[in-house]
Amino acid sequence: NAGVTQTPKFQVLKTGQSMTLQCAQDMNHEYMSWYRQDPGMGLRLIHYSVGAGITDQGEVPNGYNVSRSTTEDFPLRLLSAAPSQTSVYFCASSYSGQFEPQHFGDGTRLSIL
Amino acid sequence: AQTVTQSQPEMSVQEAETVTLSCTYDTSESDYYLFWYKQPPSRQMILVIRQEAYKQQNATENRFSVNFQKAAKSFSLKISDSQLGDAAMYFCAYRRYGGYQKVTFGTGTKLQVIP
Repeated sequence: NAGVTQTPKFQVLKTGQSMTLQCAQDMNHEYMSWYRQDPGMGLRLIHYSVGAGITDQGEVPNGYNVSRSTTEDFPLRLLSAAPSQTSVYFCASSYSGQFEPQHFGDGTRLSIL
Repeated sequence: AQTVTQSQPEMSVQEAETVTLSCTYDTSESDYYLFWYKQPPSRQMILVIRQEAYKQQNATENRFSVNFQKAAKSFSLKISDSQLGDAAMYFCAYRRYGGYQKVTFGTGTKLQVIP
């Protein structure tokens, strides 16, 4: 089915390692975003993109990088993993004119040891 | 800064009954959007309902409806004829009007549906 695809679903890293969380959507949505979900805190915006080649920081961007070379893909990179980045990560997308996230991926549960 | 508060961490409802989830928010803006998202145990979040602040009419989507009280800054979600599939975390969220604005989420209410 069409939608937002995130990989991997689970990942364990050691402190200091780097990795990339993949996100792809096949709905030709302009807007894509990354959130993290921590217990008792709701979702917090990490980075977002309003189109290919355009990205911007959300409320908790430190320690993360993004790029948007195509409309379909929006990977999230952890530069040097820290235990504070243990969380569930969600990628989301929406079409032009409706900025709030409409479609979410299944999430990536990331543990940093 | 905008804040969204969900004061009920957990709620339960009997199957086929009606339940109301509460949400309050704080903003100095006059134009904005409010949302309810549902996150079932499978984790994939779903946008359930959307309300534009300039519209006085409460939004409805099938068994889901909202009670939007702008002056009180209250935005509750009513689920009628509750079904087992309604069991989930429900998040209230807010976004300012105009251009790309970040969405602020509440901390969620876990809804249990009792058969």
